[in-house]
Amino acid sequence: AQRVTQPEKLLSVFKGAPVELKCNYSYSGSPELFWYVQYSRQRLQLLLRHISRESIKGFTADLNKGETSFHLKKPFAQEEDSAMYYCALYATSGSRLTFGEGTQLTVNP
Amino acid sequence: DTAVSQTPKYLVTQMGNDKSIKCEQNLGHDTMYWYKQDSKKFLKIMFSYNNKELIINETVPNRFSPKSPDKAHLNLHINSLELGDSAVYFCASSQKGVNEQFFGPGTRLTVL
Repeated sequence: AQRVTQPEKLLSVFKGAPVELKCNYSYSGSPELFWYVQYSRQRLQLLLRHISRESIKGFTADLNKGETSFHLKKPFAQEEDSAMYYCALYATSGSRLTFGEGTQLTVNP
Repeated sequence: DTAVSQTPKYLVTQMGNDKSIKCEQNLGHDTMYWYKQDSKKFLKIMFSYNNKELIINETVPNRFSPKSPDKAHLNLHINSLELGDSAVYFCASSQKGVNEQFFGPGTRLTVL
């Protein structure tokens, strides 16, 4: 069975500092990984997917199959980045998206 | 406005009552989902329908019954509500073959 782990429930940084939100996964097949973001009391929205290899709002994430990780990074955090971030894995067996526990990011002024 | 919509946004009710939450998507997707987000913000899938057919049914009490009248709608009916059912329920949709899911705004259910 697939599993997604986000080891940090809470992460606090200062504006302008680099930020890295960790995500590790376990899955026997070929994974498709996503980062979703949920701003305060809003719906989840897709931030990144690994197959796109793009940068959104300054965030990037690289799939490292050797370390089974998909960490989310931004070189200079902004206050508006404060939100809940979920890493998710799509498993073709079962056709489902499995979410990590989420990391609440707070960017302080 | 193309989106996933849910009604109601807030639902406050007494233990033992029966309530329904409705979800509609106008994105033309063929798969819809219900997720529960608990007080610790943990997000867990409950059900998934593809073209009105149930394809995922997680370990959810049978007090919860999804109904999909057509592929654009997926409703969630909950019988005999309990305190532990208090959560935010999110509906989502996706198109088969494209694994990105689009989420509704959520329904915050409070059981007193």
